[in-house]
Amino acid sequence: AQKVTQAQTEISVVEKEDVTLDCVYETRDTTYYLFWYKQPPSGELVFLIRRNSFDEQNEISGRYSWNFQKSTSSFNFTITASQVVDSAVYFCALSWGAQKLVFGQGTRLTINP
Amino acid sequence: DAGVIQSPRHEVTEMGQEVTLRCKPISGHNSLFWYRQTMMRGLELLIYFNNNVPIDDSGMPEDRFSAKMPNASFSTLKIQPSEPRDSAVYFCASTLGRRFNQPQHFGDGTRLSIL
Repeated sequence: AQKVTQAQTEISVVEKEDVTLDCVYETRDTTYYLFWYKQPPSGELVFLIRRNSFDEQNEISGRYSWNFQKSTSSFNFTITASQVVDSAVYFCALSWGAQKLVFGQGTRLTINP
Repeated sequence: DAGVIQSPRHEVTEMGQEVTLRCKPISGHNSLFWYRQTMMRGLELLIYFNNNVPIDDSGMPEDRFSAKMPNASFSTLKIQPSEPRDSAVYFCASTLGRRFNQPQHFGDGTRLSIL
């Protein structure tokens, strides 16, 4: 069965701190995709990044970086020098051949000024 | 470019009433998904369409729920009769093609409250 676990329910840090959001997934498929979405207080879901199962290169986009490790079935997300605007719920999700997205339960991140 | 458009943004109605949620996918996208978000169950896929045809409705909770996609630019999710436990945020999403590698783009959601 396909499953995504985000063990951190809530994280609270002070602005400018670095923070890492954990994501662990389960799948028996060899070809799959992992995604991160952001849900700010306004409620919409915003796509952040996609990674396929054959590409373990880390990715950096500004203050955001993602670390994909197949050996530990993890796809972690790090925000460097966090800002108040980063406060949101972040979801990790898994997609495989069925064109379905399975979401984790989300991590609520609060950045305090 | 316009994103996925959902209406209404908020709906408050009494138990037993029919509720219709609407979605306009991104132009050119041929896959459409309906999700429900609750505190208890998180984000759940209800149903999805490819080229206006329902592919998987295994997530639809009960016969009270139905979804249609009469054309490529419009879909509805109906609940009849509605119950308080249907209160949730309902999201519509669309994506290009039928491949599972495409990111889904979400609308702003409809916050539904059944009294």
